[in-house]
Amino acid sequence: GQNIDQPTEMTATEGAIVQINCTYQTSGFNGLFWYQQHAGEAPTFLSYNVLDGLEEKGRFSSFLSRSKGYSYLLLKELQMKDSASYLCAVRDSNYQLIWGAGTKLIIKP
Amino acid sequence: TAGITQAPTSQILAAGRSMTLRCTQDMRHNAMYWYRQDLGLGLRLIHYSNTAGTTGKGEVPDGYSVSRANTDDFPLTLASAVPSQTSVYFCASSDGDGSYNEQFFGPGTRLTVL
Repeated sequence: GQNIDQPTEMTATEGAIVQINCTYQTSGFNGLFWYQQHAGEAPTFLSYNVLDGLEEKGRFSSFLSRSKGYSYLLLKELQMKDSASYLCAVRDSNYQLIWGAGTKLIIKP
Repeated sequence: TAGITQAPTSQILAAGRSMTLRCTQDMRHNAMYWYRQDLGLGLRLIHYSNTAGTTGKGEVPDGYSVSRANTDDFPLTLASAVPSQTSVYFCASSDGDGSYNEQFFGPGTRLTVL
């Protein structure tokens, strides 16, 4: 079967750095996405990785290792507005997205 | 720019009744999707459409039907609602299905079936 694993919840301090991990087992791989979802709102796109390595976009970076079936999202200089759920999704061989359950990130002052 | 709109925002529905959730996008995206999101589970694909006139089944299609008469609209119908269909429903669209194309999401419809 297909499976995406993420921690259920993480807590971090404002101004700090946090790394959210995602491991996957899917039928085929055509890219990995990270989305942010604030409570009661729709998911919004953060990053995309299809090749191994690090993609940096401002305070957010995403890393991929296809051989290990592993990705992480790195958030730097955390702000209170970063409190949200972070969703990892893999596009499989049918080009459909398989979603993890999301990681709820709580930022404390 | 409106992007994707969904209606209604929320609804309480009696079991056995039918209902259509509406989804409209103004981005001229080819592909559209319906997901349900339940606590503790990832988004699950119900149905999708790669282009107007075609539809396909996702991971959890039973009890749901869709149509794609034109590019902009992708309604989701529950023929006879059951309590297990209580969920938050998101419609999404993307500009194609074979390359790097992020999905844009509507605001969601919160459905409660009693």
